[in-house]
Amino acid sequence: EDQVTQSPEALRLQEGESSSLNCSYTVSGLRGLFWYRQDPGKGPEFLFTLYSAGEEKEKERLKATLTKKESFLHITAPKPEDSATYLCATGDQAGTALIFGKGTTLSVSS
Amino acid sequence: DSGVTQTPKHLITATGQRVTLRCSPRSGDLSVYWYQQSLDQGLQFLIQYYNGEERAKGNILERFSAQQFPDLHSELNLSSLELGDSALYFCASSAPVQETQYFGPGTRLLVL
Repeated sequence: EDQVTQSPEALRLQEGESSSLNCSYTVSGLRGLFWYRQDPGKGPEFLFTLYSAGEEKEKERLKATLTKKESFLHITAPKPEDSATYLCATGDQAGTALIFGKGTTLSVSS
Repeated sequence: DSGVTQTPKHLITATGQRVTLRCSPRSGDLSVYWYQQSLDQGLQFLIQYYNGEERAKGNILERFSAQQFPDLHSELNLSSLELGDSALYFCASSAPVQETQYFGPGTRLLVL
């Protein structure tokens, strides 16, 4: 069964304290690894898509990387406005549904 | 703003009732997906439509149904509602031959 597991469930950081979020997946024939940001009561906001091991993408303070079994979302010098739940997902084998992890809730305090 | 719109934003109803959730995809997107998000289950795929045709089904209950119209907007119908159906319902859309899905703001359903 295809699965996506995210860790940690929750992460508290001080402003400027860099860290990484982990997403491990078990899926045959990866059809994309997706990162989304979700604020409370809002829809997931697309961040990145990765397709190949070794691929990296950056956006402001966020950088996503991909290996054969894991993806990391690195947050450099976070600010309070980076506080949100970060969701990782993979495409299913049919290339239709996204299979989501439970998310990592990040809190950044000033 | 993803370009995906959903109405209504909030819906409060009683057990046994039926409701309809509406979604308009981004301009040019042919695929529409419906997801349910509850506190304990996370985001769960329900169903996908592509250019008016059902393409894939996930863990969608028989009490739930959906359709996509010629103008590509989609509706999710939930009937015989139960307390456990209370959740956030999201619609997403994607462009042809693209796997990235863009989500709408969601409809929060509360069944009392």
